[in-house]
Amino acid sequence: DAGVTQSPTHLIKTRGQQVTLRCSPKSGHDTVSWYQQALGQGPQFIFQYYEEEERQRGNFPDRFSGHQFPNYSSELNVNALLLGDSALYLCASSQSSYEQYFGPGTRLTVT
Amino acid sequence: AQRVTQPEKLLSVFKGAPVELKCNYSYSGSPELFWYVQYSRQRLQLLLRHISRESIKGFTADLNKGETSFHLKKPFAQEEDSAMYYCALKAGGYQKVTFGIGTKLQVIP
Repeated sequence: DAGVTQSPTHLIKTRGQQVTLRCSPKSGHDTVSWYQQALGQGPQFIFQYYEEEERQRGNFPDRFSGHQFPNYSSELNVNALLLGDSALYLCASSQSSYEQYFGPGTRLTVT
Repeated sequence: AQRVTQPEKLLSVFKGAPVELKCNYSYSGSPELFWYVQYSRQRLQLLLRHISRESIKGFTADLNKGETSFHLKKPFAQEEDSAMYYCALKAGGYQKVTFGIGTKLQVIP
């Protein structure tokens, strides 16, 4: 089991564009959470998906949206990108509310 | 609102010295507290959680509800302990995990 995988590894986008990040959970996990980690900061909770529904959301604008597929994989979409959206985006999977396993992250740079 | 404070961005100790990474939290209910660690070029991973009350890699952490603290301790630091350490809180009944800013532990040989 490769654990949690994320794609792409790095991404460069221009202000105003839209981006989609992908996450495949660890085998046997049904819950996916997304975090944003700005440079020098701790991860900030964006939202969590369980059974294809958004279960809880952090303090992020509606420009941030997500989706979970029947195979439990997930996407994070960010519209109308701002310079401040530049960060490392982490995906974490778990079996319901148990221990979270993190992926390696996607580094997004907005220019 | 829940908040996690890690007052030190960098903590340098000599090998064999005791380590204490501080963590204070703000939450009115019953929280779950965690310590996560990120070694160089590795993923963020769970180190320990307060409900387990276990020692992992020689580290322990006790939840002090009176002082709203969850400090991470190890009696004798090893070079391989050098890493970023994040304290995190999960509010009871909710899924959101709130992380602190992290403390970089540097163990000097």
